[in-house]
Amino acid sequence: NAGVTQTPKFQVLKTGQSMTLQCAQDMNHEYMSWYRQDPGMGLRLIHYSVGAGITDQGEVPNGYNVSRSTTEDFPLRLLSAAPSQTSVYFCASSYGAYNEQFFGPGTRLTVL
Amino acid sequence: AQKVTQAQTEISVVEKEDVTLDCVYETRDTTYYLFWYKQPPSGELVFLIRRNSFDEQNEISGRYSWNFQKSTSSFNFTITASQVVDSAVYFCALSEYNFNKFYFGSGTKLNVKP
Repeated sequence: NAGVTQTPKFQVLKTGQSMTLQCAQDMNHEYMSWYRQDPGMGLRLIHYSVGAGITDQGEVPNGYNVSRSTTEDFPLRLLSAAPSQTSVYFCASSYGAYNEQFFGPGTRLTVL
Repeated sequence: AQKVTQAQTEISVVEKEDVTLDCVYETRDTTYYLFWYKQPPSGELVFLIRRNSFDEQNEISGRYSWNFQKSTSSFNFTITASQVVDSAVYFCALSEYNFNKFYFGSGTKLNVKP
């Protein structure tokens, strides 16, 4: 099993550009989520999904969109990148929100 | 208000010392789950423990132990006889049963010096 995979590992964007961070899991987990990690802030929940076709907002959803068309995939879209979105992004999956979260390796995003 | 507070931003100890990382949480749910994760310098997140709100028994796993006290809303983590490989950022986290969200504390960076 590959577990949770994320692509790309690194990305540099210019302000105003859009992009999609990819996340996939092969553990048949219903729950998937996106976090951003900033120095001194821990990990903050951006969006989450409890199953295909169901998504909801976390603590810091502004500027990000998600969709969940399959159990396996949960992409995160930045519509118009801003320097404040410079961060490390982690995708996670689990059987439920209160189970152990399995994390991907992270994507380091820089917005200039 | 913060759901999970880790007041210790950074701790430095010398190898073989014991160290306790504090975690205080806030919730109105009667059913909830607490977690600890480790993030070594390589950056990945490693699961350490999950505890539900109905199980207040302390847990020991090798050099690691956890003290859960509902009365003080704390879930502290102790490393006995610390080693250099324990150097990492440690996160405490909370998940409430009636909500589908996971809350992390801001983390405690542990430096273990030889």
